[in-house]
Amino acid sequence: DIQMTQSPSSLSASVGDRVTITCRASQSISSYLNWYQQKPGKAPKLLIYVASSLQSGVPSRFRGSGSGTDFTLTISSLQPEDFATYYCQQSHSTPPTFGGGTKVEIK
Amino acid sequence: EVQLVESGGGLVQPGGSLRLSCAASGFTFSNYYMSWVRQAPGKGLEWVANINQRGSETYYLDSVKGRFTISRDNAKNSLYLQMNSLRAEDTAVYYCAETAGIVGWFDPWGQGTLVTVSS
Repeated sequence: DIQMTQSPSSLSASVGDRVTITCRASQSISSYLNWYQQKPGKAPKLLIYVASSLQSGVPSRFRGSGSGTDFTLTISSLQPEDFATYYCQQSHSTPPTFGGGTKVEIK
Repeated sequence: EVQLVESGGGLVQPGGSLRLSCAASGFTFSNYYMSWVRQAPGKGLEWVANINQRGSETYYLDSVKGRFTISRDNAKNSLYLQMNSLRAEDTAVYYCAETAGIVGWFDPWGQGTLVTVSS
């Protein structure tokens, strides 16, 4: 199985900050990497698919990049509604696997 | 509006069984792969199983193979997960999700249903 490692596991940031979350795959997954946002008590929401494609309705301050084994989710200017946990997920091969999550908290 | 609504969760003893359902609406259910993804309390996300459009191909997480069965009824726009021989480590919120292919992204997701395995 492909292992997905996210860093950091948590971070504190202020509204307006630029935030970067990284995700590393245990082997090359080309661009088959997706990002989700999850708020407490809610289902995950797809933000980015195939590394850099913005899901419809997702604000343009979210940007995904990377290929191979190293990927990044960037929030250009953190908004109050962005405080949540973010997960990466590889869709290169079965079983699909998720990173451990990055919790973005208010500083 | 695309909507997925899970039901069937609850408290069950170790070794017991439970059947989860997911009712789909707002899209052509029979055109899409579907998956179950779970999340143990305070933990991350874990894919459990998926099924192709016709229900003829299914895939499972190793730890649930032989115990869980995913199925669908396209006439009823419904997805199911039959869970047998339940263990404490199966305790989680179970989400159904539309899946982009055999191994794809998950979107959208249902609101989830909680399964608690405990004596």
